[in-house]
Amino acid sequence: GAVVSQHPSWVICKSGTSVKIECRSLDFQATTMFWYRQFPKQSLMLMATSNEGSKATYEQGVEKDKFLINHASLTLSTLTVTSAHPEDSSFYICSVLASSYIGDTQYFGPGTRLTVL
Amino acid sequence: GNSVTQMEGPVTLSEEAFLTINCTYTATGYPSLFWYVQYPGEGLQLLLKATKADDKGSNKGFEATYRKETTSFHLEKGSVQVSDSAVYFCALRDPQGGSEKLVFGKGTKLTVNP
Repeated sequence: GAVVSQHPSWVICKSGTSVKIECRSLDFQATTMFWYRQFPKQSLMLMATSNEGSKATYEQGVEKDKFLINHASLTLSTLTVTSAHPEDSSFYICSVLASSYIGDTQYFGPGTRLTVL
Repeated sequence: GNSVTQMEGPVTLSEEAFLTINCTYTATGYPSLFWYVQYPGEGLQLLLKATKADDKGSNKGFEATYRKETTSFHLEKGSVQVSDSAVYFCALRDPQGGSEKLVFGKGTKLTVNP
């Protein structure tokens, strides 16, 4: 079964509004989660690393004030797209980092399709 | 910087055909290499991985060998099934600095027809 869920799976919003996307780790506690963005026929681009109880680490070129990340608990991270515009339309994917004796593995959520009108 | 290049898709095969999806990489250190698969409507799943040169990752009949000399990690399967239809992503993780960041290729869509 799925170990990572995302909500909503798709959302349509008007330009200028804010949208919150949730990423939940279902099977284990996760101190580290990642947020990716995927454009059509493009690879996944890492946006930020979300650390429980501390500020997220953003990749170069990603606007911190536009993409707000909150990792308030060990099972939940949220990405808020503030004042969304059509160019923010994309597929947003989160992943959860799980550590074990065999190494670290990222488990991915099913993604959230955002369309900004 | 680190990057991954994989063959452009889409790839369409008949059932029981041989599959190869090419993947090459550029990395500053000694990366770990991964293949992820994304079935329709689902999240990415780890298919296989290799952490050092000459390692072979395998799972569900798929194989890939870490070739340092050619900086490649090609995915192969001897006989594909309809259920293998999905998008396949090659990725690397460069552990320098303790980072867990993954760098992905663009993905290759595979369609297997009965």
